[in-house]
Amino acid sequence: SQKIEQNSEALNIQEGKTATLTCNYTNYSPAYLQWYRQDPGRGPVFLLLIRENEKEKRKERLKVTFDTTLKQSLFHITASQPADSATYLCAGGYQKVTFGTGTKLQVIP
Amino acid sequence: ETGVTQTPRHLVMGMTNKKSLKCEQHLGHNAMYWYKQSAKKPLELMFVYSLEERVENNSVPSRFSPECPNSSHLFLHLHTLQPEDSALYLCASSRGTSDLDEQFFGPGTRLTVL
Repeated sequence: SQKIEQNSEALNIQEGKTATLTCNYTNYSPAYLQWYRQDPGRGPVFLLLIRENEKEKRKERLKVTFDTTLKQSLFHITASQPADSATYLCAGGYQKVTFGTGTKLQVIP
Repeated sequence: ETGVTQTPRHLVMGMTNKKSLKCEQHLGHNAMYWYKQSAKKPLELMFVYSLEERVENNSVPSRFSPECPNSSHLFLHLHTLQPEDSALYLCASSRGTSDLDEQFFGPGTRLTVL
């Protein structure tokens, strides 16, 4: 069955560094990948969508890549801040959207 | 806020109770969704409604019964639930049901079944 794997349950990073989160997909080829941010007690908030024919997409301090050879998307937050601390969800879409379990990012001041 | 509200935010119920979760969207969207989010598990899509018609039901037990009286409101009626149904229930809406349409999520209802 379609699967999205975010292997790191948690990631701690020093303020100012670049945080890199990984999303791998198996058993299918999503036409696009989405990244969401979820804060405690809140629903996910959409951040970025990248299509399979796009290598890279940027939005302010965020950058997402889509590597169809490695079957992987990387999500980068540059110049990370404590306010970036949250759980980040990856989702892959092909006829339906499949979510990963998320990576909890903690940015340490 | 995202324009999607959910009530109640927290709910504790016994296995024999009947309760309902409510979702309202103020975005003029045509599609609404129910998701279940359990600890350390991916978001699970439960139901999809498009223009008040159910278009997807992902093998959800009949103890969960959705209702969509209009495109702004969505309910999830609960009865004779099991402890393993305890989870965060999220409502979302989008312009359409194309999987490329960005979904806007509500804050969720944290459900505990005793």
